[in-house]
Amino acid sequence: KQEVTQIPAALSVPEGENLVLNCSFTDSAIYNLQWFRQDPGKGLTSLLLIQSSQREQTSGRLNASLDKSSGRSTLYIAASQPGDSATYLCAVRRGGGGADGLTFGKGTHLIIQP
Amino acid sequence: EAGVAQSPRYKIIEKRQSVAFWCNPISGHATLYWYQQILGQGPKLLIQFQNNGVVDDSQLPKDRFSAERLKGVDSTLKIQPAKLEDSAVYLCASSIERLANHEQFFGPGTRLTVL
Repeated sequence: KQEVTQIPAALSVPEGENLVLNCSFTDSAIYNLQWFRQDPGKGLTSLLLIQSSQREQTSGRLNASLDKSSGRSTLYIAASQPGDSATYLCAVRRGGGGADGLTFGKGTHLIIQP
Repeated sequence: EAGVAQSPRYKIIEKRQSVAFWCNPISGHATLYWYQQILGQGPKLLIQFQNNGVVDDSQLPKDRFSAERLKGVDSTLKIQPAKLEDSAVYLCASSIERLANHEQFFGPGTRLTVL
């Protein structure tokens, strides 16, 4: 059974810092990995999706890497801003079709202090 | 393109009552998912539909939860009777196979409080 762990569970940093969020998964047979952002009382916003054959994806100040063989992914946020405050969720997809629901970690609650 | 729609956004009921949630996926998306997110946890898959057929319901508590997707478009998730531990946000997502990465798009969720 796939298990996804996110470290740290919570993080509070001053504005402007670069930071790294970590995600690990127990079964390396994944189709892709996705990072989401969740604001309080809201749904999930997809940030980055990395296919199993890829090593990283970038979008603006965000960079996500994937090491499938070791079961690890990191989300790098450059020059953090107060608007980045949210919960960040990592999820892995087990298949490219058929039963392919996402398995999520518990998330990292991020606070960026102005 | 309109996103995934869900209603109601909030629902408060007493234990042992029944409740139903509705989801309308993105137009043309054949696959629909229901997830349960308990406070402080990541979402957990309850059921996956491909068109109007069930692909995976292995984590659905079938003694009290049911879901249907008639005509392969809208879907309804029902809880009968509700328990205190069913308090959670219920998220609906959809995807389409012609997108190579099979990305899932999520709705805003329905927040259920069971008293």
